[in-house]
Amino acid sequence: DVKVTQSSRYLVKRTGEKVFLECVQDMDHENMFWYRQDPGLGLRLIYFSYDVKMKEKGDIPEGYSVSREKKERFSLILESASTNQTSMYLCASSYRQGTNTFGEGSWLTVV
Amino acid sequence: AQTVTQSQPEMSVQEAETVTLSCTYDTSESNYYLFWYKQPPSRQMILVIRQEAYKQQNATENRFSVNFQKAAKSFSLKISDSQLGDTAMYFCAFGSNFGNEKLTFGTGTRLTIIP
Repeated sequence: DVKVTQSSRYLVKRTGEKVFLECVQDMDHENMFWYRQDPGLGLRLIYFSYDVKMKEKGDIPEGYSVSREKKERFSLILESASTNQTSMYLCASSYRQGTNTFGEGSWLTVV
Repeated sequence: AQTVTQSQPEMSVQEAETVTLSCTYDTSESNYYLFWYKQPPSRQMILVIRQEAYKQQNATENRFSVNFQKAAKSFSLKISDSQLGDTAMYFCAFGSNFGNEKLTFGTGTRLTIIP
């Protein structure tokens, strides 16, 4: 069964800490995405990548960066975590429209 | 930029009944994709059904079907013979036909199936 794995399901970090959220897919997909999910706001795209070392900003990139050194791995980085970044983060991968596969999500609480 | 609107934050229905979730969208593109995703309490997002805008026939997947009205930019999801396992958040999403496969999501509808 194809999978997108988010290694950290629940994290609690302090304000100002650097946070890494890791996502790995085993489907050889070119495209990978990071979304943020908040109640009443749905899912909003933070960043996406369509190839190794390639990235593009989504709708809410401020305060985030990403890294894609290998095809299967896409990392979301919060350089200096703030309380307004407390949220659920979802990673997804795809190879064409309609093939998005999502991870189980990472709950991040910043205190 | 595309927008997706789900005007029903919460819905509930008795088991075995039929329920319809609404979704409208706005785009200037003529060919695109529309999706309904389900997110159960376990949080794993699952694709329920997809519709390609150039296809006039409404998509169906077992108990799930859509009513796609391209001119009205409406894309509703009908769940027939609802089951307890249908309890979840449902998200409507828009996918462009150009370039990458990023999605624009609505705000979601929380559906509860009552036994």
